[in-house]
Amino acid sequence: DIQMTQSPSSLSASVGDRVTITCQASQDIRKFLSWYQQKPGKAPNLLIYDASNLKTGVPSRFSGSGSGTEFTLTISSLQPEDIGTYYCQQYDKVPSPRERTFGGGTKVEMK
Amino acid sequence: VQLVQSGAEVKKPGSSVKVACKVSGGVFNSYGISWVRQAPGQGLEWMGGIIPVFGTPNYAQKFRGRVTITADESTATAYMEMSSLTSEDTAVYFCARGGQLLQILHFDFWGQGTLVIVSS
Repeated sequence: DIQMTQSPSSLSASVGDRVTITCQASQDIRKFLSWYQQKPGKAPNLLIYDASNLKTGVPSRFSGSGSGTEFTLTISSLQPEDIGTYYCQQYDKVPSPRERTFGGGTKVEMK
Repeated sequence: VQLVQSGAEVKKPGSSVKVACKVSGGVFNSYGISWVRQAPGQGLEWMGGIIPVFGTPNYAQKFRGRVTITADESTATAYMEMSSLTSEDTAVYFCARGGQLLQILHFDFWGQGTLVIVSS
């Protein structure tokens, strides 16, 4: 099965900072990666799918890039409402059926 | 699309639990429903999913043999049943649905979560 490794596991940044989170897949997943934000006590919220497509309604300061095994989530200018934990998730389509797996998460805190 | 889950459960070790996820909006049988759990202070763990029109669930290897996922098209409700519970199954269980026909990919819609506590 495909393992997803996120780094860092946590970070502290100031308002306006550029924040970057990376996700590494144990094998080639092409573009089939999504990113979620989760706030305490709430369900996760989809931000990005297919590595770089922003879900409708998600602020444009969020962006995603990468393909194959290396992926990045970037927050261009951190805002107070962005604090929470971020997860990547792979959904490669072949072979089918295939398990879906999440990264371990990155907790973003305000400095 | 809204997913509304059943309420919190407290179970004894060795028993079973069944969590419901009622879906409103959209066509129920053509979109995959997955179950994702989150132990206290831990990350997200995909357990398995089902596309109701196909009927055959797909499970994460870790949960095969202990988890059963079903879907009732007449009530637009998906279920996750877990047997042989231990304290390590104490977690919040989420149902989630994607926006892609006949596939389980990423998860656009989530239930509110159901807390399951396993304690003697």
